[in-house]
Amino acid sequence: GAGVSQSPSNKVTEKGKDVELRCDPISGHTALYWYRQSLGQGLEFLIYFQGNSAPDKSGLPSDRFSAERTGGSVSTLTIQRTQQEDSAVYLCASSITGTGYEQYFGPGTRLTVT
Amino acid sequence: GDSVTQMEGPVTLSEEAFLTINCTYTATGYPSLFWYVQYPGEGLQLLLKATKADDKGSNKGFEATYRKETTSFHLEKGSVQVSDSAVYFCALSPTGYALNFGKGTSLLVTP
Repeated sequence: GAGVSQSPSNKVTEKGKDVELRCDPISGHTALYWYRQSLGQGLEFLIYFQGNSAPDKSGLPSDRFSAERTGGSVSTLTIQRTQQEDSAVYLCASSITGTGYEQYFGPGTRLTVT
Repeated sequence: GDSVTQMEGPVTLSEEAFLTINCTYTATGYPSLFWYVQYPGEGLQLLLKATKADDKGSNKGFEATYRKETTSFHLEKGSVQVSDSAVYFCALSPTGYALNFGKGTSLLVTP
C-alpha cells in the first residue's frame, strides 16, 4: 500500500516568507508526527497528533511554527517569516496509534531559506 | 531531558566484518529504545526495538540488547554487507510516542 507522502519534496524560499509543508499519512493511521532533520541539531521532534486529542506541540522551536491536521488525515506544517536557521529536512511520520507502535516515515521536504 | 548518545561516525568496514555501534541513554524512567536506519536516498525506517530491560531486538541480522545496568543499547551485526551501508540512529521514546534521536552514525561497508 501507499506509504507516507510529503509535498513538496524540495522548497526554496526567501527569508521572511511563509511556507506550508504537507503530509499525507498512511490511510487508517490515527497518529501523525512531524520531525526536523538538520546538520546542526540532528533529528528533532516537533509536534504530535493523535486522533481528536489536543496535539503535543512541545517540540515546536518558536511561535513561527504551527501545524494542523484536518479531518484526522492530512497535516500541514506552516512556518511563518522563515529564517535561515529553518533550513532543514522536515519529516512526517504516522503510526496506527500513538503509543508503542512503529512510526512510518515519509521521504521528507527539504527546505532551503535563502 | 531523556536523550541518547551514539558513537560518532563515519564507520568504515570491510564486507563480512563485525559491526558494533555504541549507544547509551539517559532517562528518568524506562523508555522504549529503538534503532532506525536511513539508506541512501530513502526515508527513515525502523530496524529494531526493545521495550524493557534485558529485551533483545533483532532484525536483518542486527541485534541490540536493552541494558539497564549500563544504560546502553549497542547495535551489533556479525557480518556486514555492502547493502548495510546507511546512517543508523539510536532513539528513545520517553513519552511513548515522540522519539528522541541520537546524532546518527554513518556506516560504509566496502567490498
